[in-house]
Amino acid sequence: EDKVVQSPLSLVVHEGDTVTLNCSYEVTNFRSLLWYKQEKKAPTFLFMLTSSGIEKKSGRLSSILDKKELFSILNITATQTGDSAVYLCAVEASPGAGSYQLTFGKGTKLSVIP
Amino acid sequence: KAGVTQTPRYLIKTRGQQVTLSCSPISGHRSVSWYQQTPGQGLQFLFEYFSETQRNKGNFPGRFSGRQFSNSRSEMNVSTLELGDSALYLCASSLGLRVEQYFGPGTRLTVT
Repeated sequence: EDKVVQSPLSLVVHEGDTVTLNCSYEVTNFRSLLWYKQEKKAPTFLFMLTSSGIEKKSGRLSSILDKKELFSILNITATQTGDSAVYLCAVEASPGAGSYQLTFGKGTKLSVIP
Repeated sequence: KAGVTQTPRYLIKTRGQQVTLSCSPISGHRSVSWYQQTPGQGLQFLFEYFSETQRNKGNFPGRFSGRQFSNSRSEMNVSTLELGDSALYLCASSLGLRVEQYFGPGTRLTVT
C-alpha cells in the first residue's frame, strides 16, 4: 500500500523564521511528488517534483526531492502570517498504463505568529 | 478563466439516504478526480474520470460511485449514507494526464 508521511504534524513559528517541512514516501512506480497549500478550503498547487536534486523555487518557498532516500523537503524563508496553512505532500504513482493515483500525507499545520 | 465549481457547498443528510454531488471542471480540462477529506484520515483519493471513463479508483466501498458527462462535468453519488461519510468532498480537474490539479471549494457533507 502506498504511504506518504509528513513531519512535523504541526509547527508554530514567529514571523521571519525559516521552516523546513518533511515528506517521506513509499510508493510503487513513483512518478512525481507534489506540494499543496491548504488554507481554508481547496488546496492550491505549489510545486511538482520529478527529478532528484533539482530545487524548485517560488519566492520564499523552495522544495527539493531525493528519490534515493525517498523524501522531499519544503522550505519557507522569512515566514509571514499569510504562510499559516496546512501544507500537504502528495505522491503520484502509476498503477497501470495511462492511469495515476495521488496519495496524500496528513499534512503539516504551520502557524506563524506575528 | 473560471475555476472548478462544486455544488452544493453544504449538505445535511440522514443515515440511509443517498446524495449526489456535482463538479464542473475548468473549461478544457478533461480529467476530474474526487477526494474525501476528514480530520482523521486526511485527503483520500476516491476516483478519477477522463473522457467519461473511470480511469482509476481508490479504496472505497461500492456505495461511492461517480460518472462523467460528455462536457466533462462529473457527479459523485453516495448511497446508504453512514455517519462516517461526513466529510469535505473535493473535486479537482486537470488537463489530460497532467497531475497539476486545480481543486474546487468542496462540498461539506454532514450525515446525522
